[in-house]
Amino acid sequence: GDSVTQMEGPVTLSEEAFLTINCTYTATGYPSLFWYVQYPGEGLQLLLKATKADDKGSNKGFEATYRKETTSFHLEKGSVQVSDSAVYFCALIETGNQFYFGTGTSLTVIP
Amino acid sequence: DTGVSQDPRHKITKRGQNVTFRCDPISEHNRLYWYRQTLGQGPEFLTYFQNEAQLEKSRLLSDRFSAERPKGSFSTLEIQRTEQGDSAMYLCASSHYEGEKLFFGSGTQLSVL
Repeated sequence: GDSVTQMEGPVTLSEEAFLTINCTYTATGYPSLFWYVQYPGEGLQLLLKATKADDKGSNKGFEATYRKETTSFHLEKGSVQVSDSAVYFCALIETGNQFYFGTGTSLTVIP
Repeated sequence: DTGVSQDPRHKITKRGQNVTFRCDPISEHNRLYWYRQTLGQGPEFLTYFQNEAQLEKSRLLSDRFSAERPKGSFSTLEIQRTEQGDSAMYLCASSHYEGEKLFFGSGTQLSVL
């Protein structure tokens, strides 16, 4: 069945450091891929998405590229800020199916 | 667009009691999902609706759990004879159509004592 595997956290970075959160997936077809973010005390919200191979999703300085050959959708940001501290979830959906989420990666950015 | 709203935000109950949660999705959204999230885990799928039809129910969901969406608008999730293992955050999400991004509510935090 479909599944998503994320790198385990927690991740702690200094402000302006480079961020990578790994995500790999298993799917039978051609899923759409998403990154969701959950800030402290808030609900999950969409950060970015990609719907087909080689697409790059981007938002708020974050980027992720849909890599079919490696079944990956790694999240990157060149320079993190304290306000990026949150839990990040990788997710996928296939047509006729429902969303699958990874276990989440907690990020803390220190000044 | 007032977003997805869930009620109540918090629920504390004693083991063996029944509880019901409500979700009001974004008004024009056809799909409504229920998820459960425990500490340190990602959202775990429970069930989803296309309008008023319940299309899928997780095999992990026992028969103590039931969900309805009677008029294709709001939805309720009921847990009968609650157990301590039911303690979790229950999330509702909606989307306009299949495969589109989900909009989440803030969740209902259930504590079973």
